[in-house]
Amino acid sequence: GENVEQHPSTLSVQEGDSAVIKCTYSDSASNYFPWYKQELGKRPQLIIDIRSNVGEKKDQRIAVTLNKTAKHFSLHITETQPEDSAVYFCAASRTGGSYIPTFGRGTSLIVHP
Amino acid sequence: EAGVAQSPRYKIIEKRQSVAFWCNPISGHATLYWYQQILGQGPKLLIQFQNNGVVDDSQLPKDRFSAERLKGVDSTLKIQPAKLEDSAVYLCASSSRTTSEDEQFFGPGTRLTVL
Repeated sequence: GENVEQHPSTLSVQEGDSAVIKCTYSDSASNYFPWYKQELGKRPQLIIDIRSNVGEKKDQRIAVTLNKTAKHFSLHITETQPEDSAVYFCAASRTGGSYIPTFGRGTSLIVHP
Repeated sequence: EAGVAQSPRYKIIEKRQSVAFWCNPISGHATLYWYQQILGQGPKLLIQFQNNGVVDDSQLPKDRFSAERLKGVDSTLKIQPAKLEDSAVYLCASSSRTTSEDEQFFGPGTRLTVL
């Protein structure tokens, strides 16, 4: 089955700095890679996703890159703000037919004012 | 639109007792997922339904866990008997899957504590 590794487990930055979270996956058939933000005590919410037919996707201060050859993808947050503080999860899965997402263990991002 | 609803929000039981969780997905969403999220870890898929059929339950501990979605809408997840290691948040999610959109919408979760 799919195995997703996520690093780092914790990330502490100053407000305004950039933050990068990296994930690797094992199943070359995976083609859909969502990122979720989970604030303390709340449900995970999708913040951005990328499919294997593109290498990069950007949405305001958030971007995701995908390297299919190396089987890794990364989340980039620029100009971080205190409200970005949360746990971020990456996931990998296949679209079409059975969609069985495998999540990483999460990265706790702390943005210091 | 209304989100995914789950109940109860919190449950405390003793080991060897039974417990059931309920989920109501977003209206019209054909696919429903149950996840187990242990503290400090990512969600782990337990079972996935497409309408009222099981798509995948390979990670469901079937000796104690069961789930059903009889009419293809609401779903229940049951644990019988519970163990200490079952303490976790149980998340329900749903997705449309009728288009190319695969986004899952999560419910608020049920926090289970087994004493």
